[in-house]
Amino acid sequence: KAGVTQTPRYLIKTRGQQVTLSCSPISGHRSVSWYQQTPGQGLQFLFEYFSETQRNKGNFPGRFSGRQFSNSRSEMNVSTLELGDSALYLCASSLTGTVGLDTQYFGPGTRLTVL
Amino acid sequence: GQQVMQIPQYQHVQEGEDFTTYCNSSTTLSNIQWYKQRPGGHPVFLIQLVKSGEVKKQKRLTFQFGEAKKNSSLHITATQTTDVGTYFCAGRGDKIIFGKGTRLHILP
Repeated sequence: KAGVTQTPRYLIKTRGQQVTLSCSPISGHRSVSWYQQTPGQGLQFLFEYFSETQRNKGNFPGRFSGRQFSNSRSEMNVSTLELGDSALYLCASSLTGTVGLDTQYFGPGTRLTVL
Repeated sequence: GQQVMQIPQYQHVQEGEDFTTYCNSSTTLSNIQWYKQRPGGHPVFLIQLVKSGEVKKQKRLTFQFGEAKKNSSLHITATQTTDVGTYFCAGRGDKIIFGKGTRLHILP
């Protein structure tokens, strides 16, 4: 099986711009979770989508949003970028998601740099 | 709110020495998972603990889940250079919360 793929792998934006990141989960997985990883804060949960519905949400401002399509692919959008949004954005897929007991498989991440 | 504290933040050990990282949750967890992230890589699932007092082993790695399901540990015996990386715990309560990780450096 192919693993979790994320595009693009690297992105440079300027403050005020918006960005869309994409995640394709492992075939058959219906849950996609998004995380922000920074050296200072570690891995922080953004949100989880399961069968096109947001099932869980972390403590991030409304500038961070996401969606999931019928094929389970997911996108994450960040509007009005701030310098502090520079981070590695990881998505993880699993069969049943954060409420289940199964494994989360992480993608390679998208490295976002905001100038 | 739910918090997961992980210590130590960094650990330097000589190759062959043992290593332990600890996770403590402010609330009772339904389960806890451990991940390893190599430098420049992404987190890779290691194991999941569900039962109170559970102990699991994977070769040189030993994982424990506390009786109260609020703490967990990962112990590596006789570290090797391939063990380098950051080890994260992820506790599941109302939400999934990751510890900030323990970065392991191996001195040859």
